[in-house]
Order: sequence, then structure tokens, then C-alpha cells
Amino acid sequence: QITLKESGPTLVKPTQTLTLTCTFSGFSLNTYGVAVGWIRQPPGKALEWLALIYWDDNKRYSLSLKSRLTISRDTSKNQVVLTMTNMDPVDTGIYFCVHESGFDFGAYWGQGTLVTVSS
Amino acid sequence: QSVLTQPPSASGTPGQRVSISCSGSSSNIGTNYVYWYQQLPGTAPKLLMHRTNQRPSGVPDRFSGSKSGTSASLAISGLRSEDEADYYCAAWDDSLSGWVFGGGTKLTVL
Repeated sequence: QITLKESGPTLVKPTQTLTLTCTFSGFSLNTYGVAVGWIRQPPGKALEWLALIYWDDNKRYSLSLKSRLTISRDTSKNQVVLTMTNMDPVDTGIYFCVHESGFDFGAYWGQGTLVTVSS
Repeated sequence: QSVLTQPPSASGTPGQRVSISCSGSSSNIGTNYVYWYQQLPGTAPKLLMHRTNQRPSGVPDRFSGSKSGTSASLAISGLRSEDEADYYCAAWDDSLSGWVFGGGTKLTVL
């Protein structure tokens, strides 16, 4: 059974760096074709894809946020970490981590974690 | 501004058939699979359709997906009150080297 769970601060101040962790089980990020990504959703707004890390450590980032994002993995802990620098109130929203395998994108999602950016 | 374009709202009465469109370009929908998600209030999105027209296990056959050129559609037949939710389309974009989403469609069952 595949599960993912996000963790991190619920409140960050403007200009700070956000660090979120996705802890997963039921699959290995060393398996060919597997990836873990991050998606966010501002309150009342649409889903926005942020970043993805593949089984071979290749990474992809949203072009609009690339300068602020870093995605990494710790395969020994079954974790994927996303950092976002220079946080702003517009970055407030629910952050989800999601599993990808081959042509199956988003079959498994974490429950999401709400991040509020406010001074 | 979302890369994929969806109507912000759709509606229908119980038993009706409704369709939600998703318009993209040659670098995303025109070339790659389309995915559809259903999001109920306060919950994570749920995969409704993958590889454009394949239903994951457990998704009723009332839901169907299709694609033509750079546009895709999700059709829901025999509309039920529990189908009231937000629906999102997504596709990989070869030019952006990333996933792109539609702006979402809020489906109301009248």
C-alpha cells in the first residue's frame, strides 16, 4: 500500500525559507520509472505543479519558480525534501506530495500540509 | 494563469450527462497523455482518469475521457449528487519539461 505524508512548518515569515518533507512508504524511489513530486494549491485556487525528482535523481522544476526551489531525496529514509526560498504571502496554500510511476501520475497523493506565510 | 484551459464551472441535473473540456497545445495535450482529478472540499485530489481514457480501479464507468488534437474532455454520465466537486486536467508539457494543470472546473449538481 502506497502512502505519502507531508510535514513541515505551518507558519513561515516573509523572506524565510520553507522546508517541507514528504515521507513515503509502499514503494522505493530507487525503482526505475518512479518519481515523487510536489504540487501546491492556494486557498480557493487551482493546483500548481512545483517540482519532481526521479528514481535516477534527475530533477524537474516549474520554470516560474525554478530559482527558488530545490528538491532532494533521502532514499534511506524514504523521504523527499522541498525547499522554497524567499517566501511571500502569495505562497500560502496547501502543499501536496504525489507519486508518479511510468505513465501514472497522481495515483497517490499525500493529505497535504497547509503553509501560511505571514509576519 | 493556467497553461491548460478549463471552463470555471459546469452544471447538470441528476441523471444527465455533462462534459468538461480542457484545452492545451501541441507541447502538452497534443503530444502526451491527459490526466483528470476530482477534488472534494478539504481533501486531496483523486485520480479519475489516466493515460487520457483509462479509469483507475474503483472509478465508475460513468466517467470517461477522450482527446482530440490539443483538447481533451471528461464526460460524466448518469450524474449523481456525489459528483459535485472540482475537476482538474493535467498533462506533461514537453516545452516546459514539467506537469501543467488546468484552472479547474467546479461541477454543480442541481
